[in-house]
Amino acid sequence: GAGVSQSPSNKVTEKGKDVELRCDPISGHTALYWYRQSLGQGLEFLIYFQGNSAPDKSGLPSDRFSAERTGGSVSTLTIQRTQQEDSAVYLCASSLVSAEQYFGPGTRLTVT
Amino acid sequence: QKEVEQNSGPLSVPEGAIASLNCTYSDRVSQSFFWYRQYSGKSPELIMSIYSNGDKEDGRFTAQLNKASQYVSLLIRDSQPSDSATYLCAAYSGGGADGLTFGKGTHLIIQP
Repeated sequence: GAGVSQSPSNKVTEKGKDVELRCDPISGHTALYWYRQSLGQGLEFLIYFQGNSAPDKSGLPSDRFSAERTGGSVSTLTIQRTQQEDSAVYLCASSLVSAEQYFGPGTRLTVT
Repeated sequence: QKEVEQNSGPLSVPEGAIASLNCTYSDRVSQSFFWYRQYSGKSPELIMSIYSNGDKEDGRFTAQLNKASQYVSLLIRDSQPSDSATYLCAAYSGGGADGLTFGKGTHLIIQP
């Protein structure tokens, strides 16, 4: 079946601009996660959705980051006023229950 | 602070030999453990999950868990050049809100 999809695959933006990243989870998966992977760094957990709700947003790096999920399916991660340190690969994962997570291909964000 | 530690490598193993990858974790509450394979420029791919003490085998892969020692390992038998990748160990504490805690990965090189 279809896996997790993410768009865009690559995004180059100027410092200070807003960006929106999209994740479409595996059909039927109720849990959705966002992670960030910076060059040479491990995966950093950002936020988790169970259905449409995110019980804990403390993993988001700053208040410039926000995320939402609608209809228990598609999620968007928005970064406002992007900074160079936001450059990374943003990965989305989904799971049936809060266990085995399957990752999408990621969005490579470059802030110039 | 939850931590997962892995030797970054590179770990070089001759083709056909057994590759042994190790991981330790700090949070005794961790319930579930996962091994992901990540090729350069690609997203992590789930290859093994283990939830209880002992061994779990799947094809050429065997995962081992020792909760008393807070230790997880992955054995790859009959190593192939296509196994060359970075292997990420991840721990999950349950509840969903924290996501997975990843190690920084071990870079494995299978020498033909």
